[in-house]
Amino acid sequence: DGGITQSPKYLFRKEGQNVTLSCEQNLNHDAMYWYRQDPGQGLRLIYYSQIVNDFQKGDIAEGYSVSREKKESFPLTVTSAQKNPTAFYLCASSPDATVNYGYTFGSGTRLTVV
Amino acid sequence: KQEVTQIPAALSVPEGENLVLNCSFTDSAIYNLQWFRQDPGKGLTSLLLIQSSQREQTSGRLNASLDKSSGRSTLYIAASQPGDSATYLCAVPNSGNTPLVFGKGTRLSVIA
Repeated sequence: DGGITQSPKYLFRKEGQNVTLSCEQNLNHDAMYWYRQDPGQGLRLIYYSQIVNDFQKGDIAEGYSVSREKKESFPLTVTSAQKNPTAFYLCASSPDATVNYGYTFGSGTRLTVV
Repeated sequence: KQEVTQIPAALSVPEGENLVLNCSFTDSAIYNLQWFRQDPGKGLTSLLLIQSSQREQTSGRLNASLDKSSGRSTLYIAASQPGDSATYLCAVPNSGNTPLVFGKGTRLSVIA
């Protein structure tokens, strides 16, 4: 079955540590996205990528970094510069970056600072 | 910058009722609008995608309408069931076909 896999499901980060969230898709989609969700809030865009080796900042990119070396993979690194990283992180993909044929989401990673 | 508002924030109804969820957006120059469902602690599931050329889309007991000129969309759920309990989110592109901007959602509880 095609879909998006996010791992791990739960992640704990110590102060000053960088952590990387994995997002893999086998849908052959060109575009991939990272959103952050806080309790009672809508989703906010962190980064997105329309094609391999290219990505753009979203509304809240500070303290995060991404790479897109393969079409299937779009990992998100939460750096120590992100002062309030505790949140639910959602990865999504869509077939085409210029025409919305519908987004598909992964099941999310819950990150907690300990 | 696109802003999306969903009303009400929460809704509780008895089983069997028909209900309407509302979504409004500030920039009407959109190509499409997408409705999602989110269960607690889970990812988003796409329900309906309406292109700007369409006025409505139907899937089973769900019907979504789009009025671009007024910047509004509604999601109609017929004969609600306890399994419909979830948060419903609408999303539109920031401009044209750029990444989706989300509302905060409507948390629906259907009581048996």
